[in-house]
Amino acid sequence: DTEVTQTPKHLVMGMTNKKSLKCEQHMGHRAMYWYKQKAKKPPELMFVYSYEKLSINESVPSRFSPECPNSSLLNLHLHALQPEDSALYLCASSQPDSDGYGYTFGSGTRLTVV
Amino acid sequence: DAKTTQPPSMDCAEGRAANLPCNHSTISGNEYVYWYRQIHSQGPQYIIHGLKNNETNEMASLIITEDRKSSTLILPHATLRDTAVYYCIVRGLYGQNFVFGPGTRLSVLP
Repeated sequence: DTEVTQTPKHLVMGMTNKKSLKCEQHMGHRAMYWYKQKAKKPPELMFVYSYEKLSINESVPSRFSPECPNSSLLNLHLHALQPEDSALYLCASSQPDSDGYGYTFGSGTRLTVV
Repeated sequence: DAKTTQPPSMDCAEGRAANLPCNHSTISGNEYVYWYRQIHSQGPQYIIHGLKNNETNEMASLIITEDRKSSTLILPHATLRDTAVYYCIVRGLYGQNFVFGPGTRLSVLP
């Protein structure tokens, strides 16, 4: 299995809702990442988990809360989002400190906040 | 910040070779050059990577200059399905993450 699976593919949520994005990989990778991508912009790194521990939080607002329950799963909990948080959210995984193929990305979740 | 510079857009005729340049003049000795592409609204897809030597796989070739300050991704026979944004990324092994620059938007024209 050489894929990163993200669910749901599309999500529409109100500003008072609580929702979660899910990411799963079965490649034995021990690093997982969340990126945010606005239209016509490159992906921006949000969070990095290495060996199930949060190692990087790129000054992301607290309304985004990551969770790594185990080495295969990564969640992004969303609460009280703003319309400007509408974007494509990408999950990726890799082997830490490896010169292999870099990151494997999922297809993303298209989030719309109304 | 991204460590690379790429032209914002390029066109290529279908069936011809697409040559995408990337400048990385501040690259360190232990940093690799990676190329990814992103087709509209999909996740970035790995293409190829290299350290010093030129590399080739079933998708593309990567030519790295001897001083390693620039590289070129070559798609030998571009098809319409190669229309995408192509990202050149420089990354070391230890404690560094992928930082995306604006990339090059390649349009393959019929």
